[in-house]
Order: sequence, then C-alpha cells, then structure tokens
Amino acid sequence: EAQVTQNPRYLITVTGKKLTVTCSQNMNHEYMSWYRQDPGLGLRQIYYSMNVEVTDKGDVPEGYKVSRKEKRNFPLILESPSPNQTSLYFCASSFGRNYEQYFGPGTRLTVT
Amino acid sequence: EDQVTQSPEALRLQEGESSSLNCSYTVSGLRGLFWYRQDPGKGPEFLFTLYSAGEEKEKERLKATLTKKESFLHITAPKPEDSATYLCAVLSYNQGGKLIFGQGTELSVKP
Repeated sequence: EAQVTQNPRYLITVTGKKLTVTCSQNMNHEYMSWYRQDPGLGLRQIYYSMNVEVTDKGDVPEGYKVSRKEKRNFPLILESPSPNQTSLYFCASSFGRNYEQYFGPGTRLTVT
Repeated sequence: EDQVTQSPEALRLQEGESSSLNCSYTVSGLRGLFWYRQDPGKGPEFLFTLYSAGEEKEKERLKATLTKKESFLHITAPKPEDSATYLCAVLSYNQGGKLIFGQGTELSVKP
C-alpha cells in the first residue's frame, strides 16, 4: 500500500531533550516536506527536500533540522525542543513540487 | 510577500444547499494552486491542482476554478460526509519548492 508513515504518532517530552520524528514513504517520491499545524495559524512548511541531499527552508525553520540521505526517509530533528514547538506535525511527499502531496497521519508533539 | 487567504473561516450548510469557498492569493508568478480536504485528526487529502487561469476541475460534488487572483471551490448539493476543513495552497515560481497554505475553511453540512 502506498503510504507515508511517521513515528512516533504521539510524543510528550521535556524542554531541551533532543528528539527525532521519522518520516518514510514507499512511493519513490523525490519531493518530501515537513509541516506544523497550529490552531489559527494553519499549516506552515518547516523544511522541504526536492531530492536526496537537497534541503531548503520553508516558512518556519527555526529550531528544526532535517536530513535527506536516502530517497525514502526524511527525519525531522529537534535539537533542543521548547514549549513553543508543541504542535501537530505532518510529513508529506510527492513526485515533484508541481504535484499533489501525500500526507502522513501526523505526530502530536507536546514539549513541557 | 506571497500570501494566501481563505474565506469564510467557517461555513455551515444544510444538506443540499450549494455554496462556494474562496481562496485569494498574492504570488509573484503562480506555478500551481492545490486544494486539499482535511478531516479532524488526519492528514490533508489531495483534491485538485490548477495551473492556469480559466482552468476548472471536477470531482463528484466539488468543482474548483481558478482566476489570476483567486480560486473557488464550489460544492453542489453537499452531503454531511462533505463536512471537513478545506485547505488551499499555492506554489510560486520565485519560491523554489516552498508551498504556502491558507488557514482553511471549516465546512459543516447538517442533514
């Protein structure tokens, strides 16, 4: 089944404790992206990658890191999480930037 | 600065009552405009892509149209299962692969 998977789905952590949210797709997509969704602010793009080893900042990259060493994986790294990074995170992938994106199920992160 | 604004923020309809959702955009060169549907607690689900003014796409009770400044999502004779948040997003030529989403319209269809 074609899908985008994210892990974990739910995470509660403390300020400053490094964490990684994994994202994997099995559709051989070149384009992958991370978003955060907050009430009243909608979906905002954090980082995107148009191919392996190519990443670019979205609208809200501060406090996040990404890497794209393999085509199928695009992990999101929070080196020192803060409470303002409490949010619902979505990973997405597509054949290219001009094409529709397939979204993962979301990761709900709470930073205390 | 590229911007996307959706209206209304929320819309309540009776089953069968047709209406339209609006997505206004300001971008320096539109590469593509996307419509997604999002159910509570789930990831957005793709509906349509529009690339140029005058283009129209249809799927069941939904029809998306595009002008040089805005896009409409027309919902004809909606059913309760059409209740969801509808998101609009734009991709511009000057922003590489950056996608900008509007804040969405929350649609509720009552039987």
